[in-house]
Amino acid sequence: EVQLVESGGGLVQPGGSLRLSCAASGFTFSYYWMNWVRQAPGKGLEWVANINQDGSEKYYVDSVKGRFTISRDNAKNSLYLQMNSLRAEDTAVYYCARVGDANNYESEYWGQGTLVTVSS
Amino acid sequence: DIQMTQSPSSLSASVGDRVTITCRASQSISSYLNWYQQKPGKAPKLLMYAASSLQSGVPSRFSGSGSGTDFTLTISSLQPEDFATYYCQQTYDTPFTFGPGTKVDIK
Repeated sequence: EVQLVESGGGLVQPGGSLRLSCAASGFTFSYYWMNWVRQAPGKGLEWVANINQDGSEKYYVDSVKGRFTISRDNAKNSLYLQMNSLRAEDTAVYYCARVGDANNYESEYWGQGTLVTVSS
Repeated sequence: DIQMTQSPSSLSASVGDRVTITCRASQSISSYLNWYQQKPGKAPKLLMYAASSLQSGVPSRFSGSGSGTDFTLTISSLQPEDFATYYCQQTYDTPFTFGPGTKVDIK
């Protein structure tokens, strides 16, 4: 069974940093692209970043470029999101998601999400 | 960036109704269009990928169509568990933008 478990969320002051983790199990992690998607309270979904199988390709939404870094450790079956210079507008539930097998980059499996609150 | 719009933004329907949700892209995205269902407090669930492919385990009352810029998600006979918010997403080019969502609630 595919499982994705996010951790690392919490309350942080504006300008601060946080590192999210996503522990993957039930599949061969190193075979798949991975996504981070976020959802601000009461709002819609926003794709944040993705990373390819070996970490050599990374893409970001403009609003986080230069502040967030996606990475992975295939030996540890883990995905990360390093978030620096956090702003109030980064407050959201952050989901990690595994891409499917269809070469379509759809997010087939999702974690339960971790809440990041940026506030003083 | 590719902009995604959805219509309607919300709708009220009854069990057994046929429901259609429309998604439009600001430029051609071929068939790189996915649909997700989200219930309150839960992670999104993939329903359709590549515009018209039904995700494994999703009931056949869900169907998708379209290519280029115009897409639809149809629920042929709405069931109580289908009351939720539905999002389209393009995966043609990064950033992989989502539509604003369509909330389906009970009439």
